[in-house]
Formats: sequence, structure tokens, C-alpha cells
Amino acid sequence: AQSVAQPEDQVNVAEGNPLTVKCTYSVSGNPYLFWYVQYPNRGLQFLLKYITGDNLVKGSYGFEAEFNKSQTSFHLKKPSALVSDSALYFCAVSSNTGKLIFGQGTTLQVKP
Amino acid sequence: DTEVTQTPKHLVMGMTNKKSLKCEQHMGHRAMYWYKQKAKKPPELMFVYSYEKLSINESVPSRFSPECPNSSLLNLHLHALQPEDSALYLCASSQGATSGPSYEQFFGPGTRLTVT
Repeated sequence: AQSVAQPEDQVNVAEGNPLTVKCTYSVSGNPYLFWYVQYPNRGLQFLLKYITGDNLVKGSYGFEAEFNKSQTSFHLKKPSALVSDSALYFCAVSSNTGKLIFGQGTTLQVKP
Repeated sequence: DTEVTQTPKHLVMGMTNKKSLKCEQHMGHRAMYWYKQKAKKPPELMFVYSYEKLSINESVPSRFSPECPNSSLLNLHLHALQPEDSALYLCASSQGATSGPSYEQFFGPGTRLTVT
């Protein structure tokens, strides 16, 4: 069965510092991996995805993610955090039917 | 237009009421989804429509009834709900469903439902 784990409920970062939100996955076959962000009282916004190819994926708002097959990880990164990045972040893997399997989510708090 | 719209934004209903949630997209997407989300939790898939046909029902109680009148519209009809059904209901669309695991889903802002 496919699954995604986000080991941290919350990540705290000072503004201007780099941030990492962790995600590990378990799939049979090729993984299709996604990151979404949810701001309070809003729907989910797509940030980036890994399908195949370059292990470093660049996405919206300066975010990027590194696919690591040997560690089965897909961590989300940003070189310099903004207060406005504070939100709930979900990692997800897509099944062959297109169904998204989400991690439990990580709350990112960026403090000024 | 890269937007999924949902109406209403908020809905309060009694346990004996009948109401409907609406979702619309004009991106030409052929897959549409309903999710239920509780606070600070990941969305839970309820239904998937692919090419206007119901392709996935995640064992959702019959008090929730989806409908896809055309490729741009998705409804969720609600009847005799319970207080535990109070949640944020999200609609999403994507280019593919059963044939497209690589396509990202675009989410609407959601309808905040409160059942009293």
C-alpha cells in the first residue's frame, strides 16, 4: 500500500533562514509526489510535483523539493523563509487511479 | 481561467434539512473530486468523477449524494446530516483521474459546513 509520512507536526523557522519540511514515502513502482500548501480558511494550493527526471524540482513562491530515491524522501525546501510562508503543508503521493494519498500535514511557523 | 469556484462559502443546516454544495471549473478538466477536511487534518477523498461518470466512492454514507451534470459542474447534495459531518468540503479538478496519476489537482476554496 502507498503511504506518505510527515514526521514533524510543526516546524518553526526565523524569517530569512532556510526552511525544510520533511516527507518520506512508501510506494510500489514509480512515485508521483506532490506538495500542497493550505493557508487558513482556504483550499489547497499546488506547489510542485515530481514525476520523473531531475531530482531537484522547482515550484511556486521560491519553493523547491529534492527527490531522494535511496532515502525515499521528498523534502520541501526554501532558501529564505518569509512570514507569509506560514501555513499548513501537505505532502502527497498519487496512486495509479489518480487518488492523492496525503501525509498528516506540517504546520510551518515563520517568525519575524 | 485556472480557478475552481465553490458556493456557498459557508453553510449552516439542521439535521433535517436538504442542501447542495456547488463546484465549477472551466479549465477543461475531465476529473473532479469531493473531499472532506477536518481542522488541521489532511483532506479525505469522498468521490471522484471521471468524464462525468462516478469512478470512485470511498464508502461515503448515502446522506451525501454527488452529481455531475456536465464536465464543468459538480454538486454534492446533502440530506439528514449529522453534527459530525461538520467540516470544510473541498472540490478539486485535474486533467486526468484514472489515466493520470501525474496530474496535479486544483482545489477550490471550500464550503465550511456546520450541522446543528
